[in-house]
Parts: sequence; C-alpha cells; structure tokens
Amino acid sequence: EDQVTQSPEALRLQEGESSSLNCSYTVSGLRGLFWYRQDPGKGPEFLFTLYSAGEEKEKERLKATLTKKESFLHITAPKPEDSATYLCAVQAWRSGFQKLVFGTGTRLLVSP
Amino acid sequence: NAGVTQTPKFQVLKTGQSMTLQCAQDMNHNSMYWYRQDPGMGLRLIYYSASEGTTDKGEVPNGYNVSRLNKREFSLRLESAAPSQTSVYFCASSDGGITYEQYFGPGTRLTVT
Repeated sequence: EDQVTQSPEALRLQEGESSSLNCSYTVSGLRGLFWYRQDPGKGPEFLFTLYSAGEEKEKERLKATLTKKESFLHITAPKPEDSATYLCAVQAWRSGFQKLVFGTGTRLLVSP
Repeated sequence: NAGVTQTPKFQVLKTGQSMTLQCAQDMNHNSMYWYRQDPGMGLRLIYYSASEGTTDKGEVPNGYNVSRLNKREFSLRLESAAPSQTSVYFCASSDGGITYEQYFGPGTRLTVT
C-alpha cells in the first residue's frame, strides 16, 4: 500500500539554525513527490515537485532533494516566517487515476 | 485571480442536518478535489472530478455526495451530518496534466454536534 511518513512530527529551531525535514515513502512507481507549506487556518500552498532520484529544487531558504526512498526538505538559516507545517505527498495510481497520498506533516517553529 | 475559493469558512451543524460546501476555481483547471483534514491523519481524498461531467469516489466517500456543476464549480454535500464528519474540508484543483500540482482553497471548518 502506498504510504508517506514524515519526521519529525514537530521541530523547534532558533532563527538561523539550519535543519532538515524527512519524508519517506513507499509507492508503486513514483510519478512525483510534492512538498506543500500549510499555515494555521489556511490551505496547503504548493512548494516543489520532484520527479526522479537525484533531483533538487530550491526556493529562497528551502531546498528539496529526492532519493529512491525518501525526500528531504533542507531549511537554511530559517527565519520566524518559515514557521508552518510542511506536508509531503506522493503521486500514486489508485483505481485508474493519479492521486496524491499525503503525510501527516512536520510542524516547524522558528524562534527569533 | 482568486485561485480556489470556498464557502462557508465555518459551519456548525446538528447531527442529521444537511449542508452543501461550495468551491470554485478561476484557473481553468480540469480536475477538482475534495479532501478532509483531521489531526494526525493527513489529508484524505473524499471525491474527485477528473474533468467536467465526471466524478468519482476517493478514499473516504461515505456520507458525502458531490456535483461538478461546470468547469469552475465543484460542491460537496453532507446529506445527514454525523459527529464523525467534524473536520476541516479543503477543495483543490489541478490541470490534471503531468505537472499535477494541486492548488488548495482556504478550507471550511465544520463542527457537527
């Protein structure tokens, strides 16, 4: 069964303290791995798509990487405004249609 | 562009009452989705519409119905609300193509007492 596991569940960082979030997955034939950011009381906001092992994408202080079994979201010198829940999702085939399977997220809090 | 809009933002229902959640997108996307988000469970797909005129069940469809009114609008109906349907509901859309990014609305927080 397709599955996405994110760790840690919660992470507290000081401003400027770099770290990484992990997303491990099992899926039959990965077609895409997605990272979203979700602020409290809002809908998820798309960040990145990765399609193949070795691929990397960057946006400001965030860099997403992909291997055959997991993805990392690296946060370099985070700021308080990076505080949010980060969701990982994989694109999978179910019942003849491509769907997203989501992890439960990592809650990131960056303190000034 | 407003993106994906949802109404209402908040709703409280009594067990057995019915209601319809509305969703509209202005990105000319073909595919639309309804998810629910519960603590510790992640986003789960309720129903989806691959294109105008089609709808299909997702992972957790029981107790819900949907209507794809036109290319822009996709509504979710609870015929007889139950406390287990207390959740935050998100509508999303995508162009359904290979890039497949989904764009989400702001959500509806529903409480069933």
